[in-house]
Amino acid sequence: EIQLQESGPGLVKPSQSLSLTCSVTGYTITSGYDWSWIRKFPGNKMEWMGYISYSGSTNYNPSLKSRISITRDTSKNQFFLQLNSVTTEDTATYYCARGVRNPYYWGQGVMVTVSS
Amino acid sequence: DVVMTQTPVSLPVSLGGQASISCRSSQSLVHSNGNTYLHWYLQKPGQSPQLLIYRVSNRFSGVPDRFSGSGSGTDFTLKISRVEPEDLGDYYCLQSTHFPPLTFGSGTKLEIK
Repeated sequence: EIQLQESGPGLVKPSQSLSLTCSVTGYTITSGYDWSWIRKFPGNKMEWMGYISYSGSTNYNPSLKSRISITRDTSKNQFFLQLNSVTTEDTATYYCARGVRNPYYWGQGVMVTVSS
Repeated sequence: DVVMTQTPVSLPVSLGGQASISCRSSQSLVHSNGNTYLHWYLQKPGQSPQLLIYRVSNRFSGVPDRFSGSGSGTDFTLKISRVEPEDLGDYYCLQSTHFPPLTFGSGTKLEIK
């Protein structure tokens, strides 16, 4: 059974970079599908951030395009999120998921607070 | 970006009753390939979102037939009949016809009266 698990620091200072890892088990990320990052803000708004495809191409939310990077390590079956120059408005729960159009395997989420 | 207007924000419902959630898009969600990429998710307390309905009216694997989706163009509805305690949570619509970016509705909290 496929499982996704997010990991990373729960606290990041303003202006620094947020870096998260999604570890995938039960499926090889180069075998197919796209692999997404989605976040949920306090107050419940959901935002799609971007994805990396099974072939390694990426597609980002234009609102984040200057700050976001999604990469992967195929040897570890992991993909990563980096968000630069964070502010308190980036405080959210971050989810990784398989798929783009209607993702149906999600990680449990990791809460990240941006605060000094 | 396509704006998804979801109503109501909060929906109190009696156990065994029916609930209806509306999602309207700022432009038609009919893709050039003829498909309509409008989906519904439920996020139960303490869990990650789970797919209920994909492409307007298709129930995802394991989803009870109490959940049904309908609509076309810019107007879509999720109906839940015979509401059970396990149906509590936040419901979201998601459009993926026009992306980037995919866009979500603002959410509806289903509460038991």
